[in-house]
Amino acid sequence: DAGVIQSPRHEVTEMGQEVTLRCKPISGHNSLFWYRQTMMRGLELLIYFNNNVPIDDSGMPEDRFSAKMPNASFSTLKIQPSEPRDSAVYFCASSFRSGGHNEQFFGPGTRLTVL
Amino acid sequence: TQLLEQSPQFLSIQEGENLTVYCNSSSVFSSLQWYRQEPGEGPVLLVTVVTGGEVKKLKRLTFQFGDARKDSSLHITAAQPGDTGLYLCAGAWGAQKLVFGQGTRLTINP
Repeated sequence: DAGVIQSPRHEVTEMGQEVTLRCKPISGHNSLFWYRQTMMRGLELLIYFNNNVPIDDSGMPEDRFSAKMPNASFSTLKIQPSEPRDSAVYFCASSFRSGGHNEQFFGPGTRLTVL
Repeated sequence: TQLLEQSPQFLSIQEGENLTVYCNSSSVFSSLQWYRQEPGEGPVLLVTVVTGGEVKKLKRLTFQFGDARKDSSLHITAAQPGDTGLYLCAGAWGAQKLVFGQGTRLTINP
């Protein structure tokens, strides 16, 4: 059974360019989370969706960041325009929301470098 | 300011030794999770503790949730090189939203 799939695994771009990160959650999961991990700030929640609907985007750092989930099997995180301080590893995670303490399953991450 | 403080940040010990890492907060959480992350991969859940004072064991790993549900500890007995990794604690409010500590980077030397 495939886990959470993220693409690309690595992205190097220049400042000012648009970056789109992609995520396919585990089939049957109904919650999806986007995180960012840096040495300075650790792992931070950016936004999460339940049943494709954004529930909490308070972690999105600026208007340059946007996330969509057009269907249950796909989500994107877009940065436009990108800046060097956006360099980080971006993780997508999914879970099955059942009212208990749900386990989140993480993808392998996308390492973004903005030059 | 981190909501969850983990200590130590780095720990390097010899195979066979015991160790404890800590996760502390001034906030009360509905549950607390421990994850392990290896290089180039995402975090993987080890355990969830829910009740104040709860103790859970996973082979050589023992997890404890503080009585006030503000802190937790992870104790490893007879550490092995395979235990090497980044250990993250995460506090939960409700069932979904997690806040992570900075992590403890553990190295077990053969």
